[in-house]
Amino acid sequence: SQTIHQWPATLVQPVGSPLSLECTVEGTSNPNLYWYRQAAGRGLQLLFYSVGIGQISSEVPQNLSASRPQDRQFILSSKKLLLSDSGFYLCAWDGTSSSGNTIYFGEGSWLTVV
Amino acid sequence: SQQGEEDPQALSIQEGENATMNCSYKTSINNLQWYRQNSGRGLVHLILIRSNEREKHSGRLRVTLDTSKKSSSLLITASRAADTASYFCATALNTGFQKLVFGTGTRLLVSP
Repeated sequence: SQTIHQWPATLVQPVGSPLSLECTVEGTSNPNLYWYRQAAGRGLQLLFYSVGIGQISSEVPQNLSASRPQDRQFILSSKKLLLSDSGFYLCAWDGTSSSGNTIYFGEGSWLTVV
Repeated sequence: SQQGEEDPQALSIQEGENATMNCSYKTSINNLQWYRQNSGRGLVHLILIRSNEREKHSGRLRVTLDTSKKSSSLLITASRAADTASYFCATALNTGFQKLVFGTGTRLLVSP
């Protein structure tokens, strides 16, 4: 069966410090991968998605970047964090069925920038 | 901008009652999905309904879709305290790559 791992689960970082959140998917090949952000009490905002190694699409201009160095690895990064980067970050992959794509989420990473 | 808007934003009921949440969207879609999120956790997929379907059931869940009104509803029957969570609708747009666009969610509280 497929599983998705995301880490770290919680992170407190000072303003201006770098960020690296990692996500790996097991049990599937060539998945579409996603990074979402959820501000407190809000819906999910799609940040990046990737359809293959080295292929990254950005949905919103921001202080973050994403990379996909391997088929089942997706990394969210920042060189210098801002206070506004605080939030709940969710990695996800999708499984295709005849009905459409279903998104499977990791457990999320809580980022607090202080 | 958000495609889906859930209504109500918050809902408080007693165990055994039914809970109904609504979702409205703006553009044509390929399918609409409902997800559940327990506090501080990742989202879990509940049900997917295609644009050519009008109703779908899964256990105590019933989802309807009205494409003419661009709206969907999620009904949870005989609710339990364990149903307490936030519920999100997400739409897959008629584009080549199916990105899901999530609404802002309904917070459901089921009291024992």
